[in-house]
Amino acid sequence: GDSVTQMEGPVTLSEEAFLTINCTYTATGYPSLFWYVQYPGEGLQLLLKATKADDKGSNKGFEATYRKETTSFHLEKGSVQVSDSAVYFCALSEGQTGFQKLVFGTGTRLLVSP
Amino acid sequence: SQTIHQWPATLVQPVGSPLSLECTVEGTSNPNLYWYRQAAGRGLQLLFYSVGIGQISSEVPQNLSASRPQDRQFILSSKKLLLSDSGFYLCAWSAGQPNSPLHFGNGTRLTVT
Repeated sequence: GDSVTQMEGPVTLSEEAFLTINCTYTATGYPSLFWYVQYPGEGLQLLLKATKADDKGSNKGFEATYRKETTSFHLEKGSVQVSDSAVYFCALSEGQTGFQKLVFGTGTRLLVSP
Repeated sequence: SQTIHQWPATLVQPVGSPLSLECTVEGTSNPNLYWYRQAAGRGLQLLFYSVGIGQISSEVPQNLSASRPQDRQFILSSKKLLLSDSGFYLCAWSAGQPNSPLHFGNGTRLTVT
């Protein structure tokens, strides 16, 4: 079945450092890809998405590019802030009929220190 | 704008007691609705989804059930809780179009003692 693999955390960085969180996927079709963020004690929020190969999703300084040839969707940010500390989830969906069944990775915790 | 409400935020229940978690969505009609569980140190597991009133699909066999008595109301229930039911439960909705993202509630942290 479909699956998503994320790098294990926690990822610990100093403020203004460069961030990469790796995500690779396995899917039988052509999925849409998502990054969600979960702040402490809260639900998940959509951070960005990409729906086809070579699309780049971006939001709040975060970016991820849909790489079909490497089946990857790595999350990057040029300069992290303390407020970016959260758990980040990569997910895929092959909702062809309007129903979105998301498959999530296990999440990567990011800790940013001042 | 659309909003999703989920309650309670935290819940401590003894083993063998019943459970009822409620989720409601405002500002949209005929949403797809979902219940996910996030166990400690693990990813999110889809428990149930619904594409319409009274239409419930279960993803994994378990001690829980779900119901959708109204278009924008989704309820997660159990008749007798197990210790293994502890976790963080998340309700979510999406529009009916392909590639629509999921929008999550703030979750309910359930501890079964």
